[in-house]
Amino acid sequence: DVKVTQSSRYLVKRTGEKVFLECVQDMDHENMFWYRQDPGLGLRLIYFSYDVKMKEKGDIPEGYSVSREKKERFSLILESASTNQTSMYLCASSSPGVDTQYFGPGTRLTVL
Amino acid sequence: SQKIEQNSEALNIQEGKTATLTCNYTNYSPAYLQWYRQDPGRGPVFLLLIRENEKEKRKERLKVTFDTTLKQSLFHITASQPADSATYLCARRAGQNFVFGPGTRLSVLP
Repeated sequence: DVKVTQSSRYLVKRTGEKVFLECVQDMDHENMFWYRQDPGLGLRLIYFSYDVKMKEKGDIPEGYSVSREKKERFSLILESASTNQTSMYLCASSSPGVDTQYFGPGTRLTVL
Repeated sequence: SQKIEQNSEALNIQEGKTATLTCNYTNYSPAYLQWYRQDPGRGPVFLLLIRENEKEKRKERLKVTFDTTLKQSLFHITASQPADSATYLCARRAGQNFVFGPGTRLSVLP
């Protein structure tokens, strides 16, 4: 079974802090994604990556950056957390040509 | 832009009945549509994929249809059970990414 793990299930941070969210997948997937999910807005793509050291902006990249130094690991970085970044963050992975995304359990981030 | 709409935010049905959830898309027909299940506080889990040349697809008590004329997919759960209560998401391909609908929260009442 594909396993996608995220470093924390719940996280509370203060405004202005730098926040790291880590995602690791164990199925050698090339593609990895970061989404945020908010009530009524659904899943919105923040960044994605199709290869090591490669990244592409999604629909809402402002205030975020990412890092993919190894194939299995994709990190989301909030350089200076703000209250409007309070959300559920979901990581996903997939293989090219296989049209299923596998999601991690999510990180619920609260920024005070 | 390609959008996915799920016209019911929430749906309550009685146990044993068939639940029908609707997914509508805009612009050109995607090559396929996907359906995911999401339980509270968890990530979505893939359920079914239906291609545009497939009218219908079944998996156990689940059935999905794809109507390119109406630009719509219907997701049915027959003989529904309280354990089917969850949020169901529809998704389409958009280039190399996926676009998700907002989801329909299904509650199956005993």
